[in-house]
Amino acid sequence: AQSVTQLGSHVSVSEGALVLLRCNYSSSVPPYLFWYVQYPNQGLQLLLKYTSAATLVKGINGFEAEFKKSETSFHLTKPSAHMSDAAEYFCAVMEYGNKLVFGAGTILRVKS
Amino acid sequence: NAGVTQTPKFRVLKTGQSMTLLCAQDMNHEYMYWYRQDPGMGLRLIHYSVGEGTTAKGEVPDGYNVSRLKKQNFLLGLESAAPSQTSVYFCASSLGLDGGELFFGEGSRLTVL
Repeated sequence: AQSVTQLGSHVSVSEGALVLLRCNYSSSVPPYLFWYVQYPNQGLQLLLKYTSAATLVKGINGFEAEFKKSETSFHLTKPSAHMSDAAEYFCAVMEYGNKLVFGAGTILRVKS
Repeated sequence: NAGVTQTPKFRVLKTGQSMTLLCAQDMNHEYMYWYRQDPGMGLRLIHYSVGEGTTAKGEVPDGYNVSRLKKQNFLLGLESAAPSQTSVYFCASSLGLDGGELFFGEGSRLTVL
């Protein structure tokens, strides 16, 4: 079965600092990988996804993620954090049957 | 464009009561899903459907039933609610293509006393 591990349930950065949210996956086949964001009291919104094209994937709001097969990682980054980035972020891997398996989530706090 | 709509958004039940959550999508998607979200556990799949008239179990199906009588609707039922079912429930839909995006509703917060 596929699984996803997100390192760090809470990450705190200063406004303007680099954002790095870590995600490692386990998959027996080349994976489809996703990052979703959830703002308070809202549903999940797709940030970006990897579907075996370019290993560096650019998403919305200045986020990007790099797929590294050798490290089974798909870390999410943003060069400069903004207050509006405060949210919970979920990494997910798609398994057979087009079902998403989610990590536990990382809450990002942005300090002014 | 409504996307995925869930009703109700909030509900409080007593242990043993029953209820149904309704999910409706207007994107003509084949696949629909029900997830529950609990703190520190991410989202876990309860049941899903790959088309009208079909349903299948996910990771945590016990205590829930589902039906997909119409393509646009996916119902999640709790026959006898338990406090362990206190959670936020999310419905999602997709075209069912490999690597295709799941579109989520805004969630339904259920409290079982």
